[in-house]
Amino acid sequence: GNSVTQMEGPVTLSEEAFLTINCTYTATGYPSLFWYVQYPGEGLQLLLKATKADDKGSNKGFEATYRKETTSFHLEKGSVQVSDSAVYFCALSRASGTYKYIFGTGTRLKVLA
Amino acid sequence: DAGVIQSPRHEVTEMGQEVTLRCKPISGHNSLFWYRQTMMRGLELLIYFNNNVPIDDSGMPEDRFSAKMPNASFSTLKIQPSEPRDSAVYFCASSSKQGAEQYFGPGTRLTVT
Repeated sequence: GNSVTQMEGPVTLSEEAFLTINCTYTATGYPSLFWYVQYPGEGLQLLLKATKADDKGSNKGFEATYRKETTSFHLEKGSVQVSDSAVYFCALSRASGTYKYIFGTGTRLKVLA
Repeated sequence: DAGVIQSPRHEVTEMGQEVTLRCKPISGHNSLFWYRQTMMRGLELLIYFNNNVPIDDSGMPEDRFSAKMPNASFSTLKIQPSEPRDSAVYFCASSSKQGAEQYFGPGTRLTVT
């Protein structure tokens, strides 16, 4: 079946630290992969996406590379800020055959000044 | 672009009452999703529509929940009768096509006492 697995949170970092949030997936076919961010009291917002193998999505200093060989889409940022504190969701969509859109359970990030 | 619009933003009601949540998707988007988010169960897909037609309602908890999309610019999620365990944040999201990224509304926080 199709699934998304994210690392358990919360993740607590000091400002300017390097961030990695792991995401692996299982899917038939060739899914598109996404990272969403949810700030307190708000809905999810698209952070970045990649639609095919070896694509790198990037936005606001965050990056993730679609690795088909390891079925991974890990989120990274070189230097986090307090304002990056939020919950991050990995997701996949598969539009071939029966449509599926699956979210991971979310990883809470807290950045300390 | 106004984004996805949801109303009301907050709803407090007593057990047994009918609750109607409303959503206006982004103009031109033809896929619409209803989600429920709680601390215990995380983000759950309740139902999604494509071109106003319900495609997958397997996430609807039980017959007390119903959703409609009478036209491309409006959808409702109804709970009748409501129960305390329905308390959650309900999100509506839309996308331009199946498989594409989703745009979330700000959510409706429902409290059933």
